[in-house]
Amino acid sequence: DAKTTQPPSMDCAEGRAANLPCNHSTISGNEYVYWYRQIHSQGPQYIIHGLKNNETNEMASLIITEDRKSSTLILPHATLRDTAVYYCIVGVAGNMLTFGGGTRLMVKP
Amino acid sequence: DVKVTQSSRYLVKRTGEKVFLECVQDMDHENMFWYRQDPGLGLRLIYFSYDVKMKEKGDIPEGYSVSREKKERFSLILESASTNQTSMYLCASSLWIPGQGYEQYFGPGTRLTVT
Repeated sequence: DAKTTQPPSMDCAEGRAANLPCNHSTISGNEYVYWYRQIHSQGPQYIIHGLKNNETNEMASLIITEDRKSSTLILPHATLRDTAVYYCIVGVAGNMLTFGGGTRLMVKP
Repeated sequence: DVKVTQSSRYLVKRTGEKVFLECVQDMDHENMFWYRQDPGLGLRLIYFSYDVKMKEKGDIPEGYSVSREKKERFSLILESASTNQTSMYLCASSLWIPGQGYEQYFGPGTRLTVT
């Protein structure tokens, strides 16, 4: 039970913003929302995480709805190298992460 | 930068062999994890460890064991490899930062084929 729901695939034009949605309607109060991505044949790479406030770093922005039941990962200017499977995960400190199927993002020129 | 290394990128073993997969992290993280990844199934947790000599079963521990004798090293052991253990194995480590949650860092993976 991955506790999150993501679309299986999405396309995005190079240079445009990629908005990846995630539903986590059963999230509990102490669980964080994490985003990872996995480029083919490599280990997953941490992108960003948050609890209830929106977060931004050099890679992406994370928008969490006020009720915390969904979130959106935003890659502001997608490049071909952003083509990967993106995983949205909820979890608590020190606890293992459960990865679902993720969203396969294809960035096209 | 956190570095998580795994002993092999590709491994081919025969059914019934004992297989050791080694993972080393260099950032003094308390938590370490072993996952396997299969097409259509995502990443599934096999075992994790939150301290030296401590281990906890994940979602699919059957057929596997682990060892953590030193903080930086977490080994996954397949006592008698079977063909259904052919998979990509990923090691990870994490550090809890109070008030910020934690980040989990992954190794490059070991693609194990059991024939």
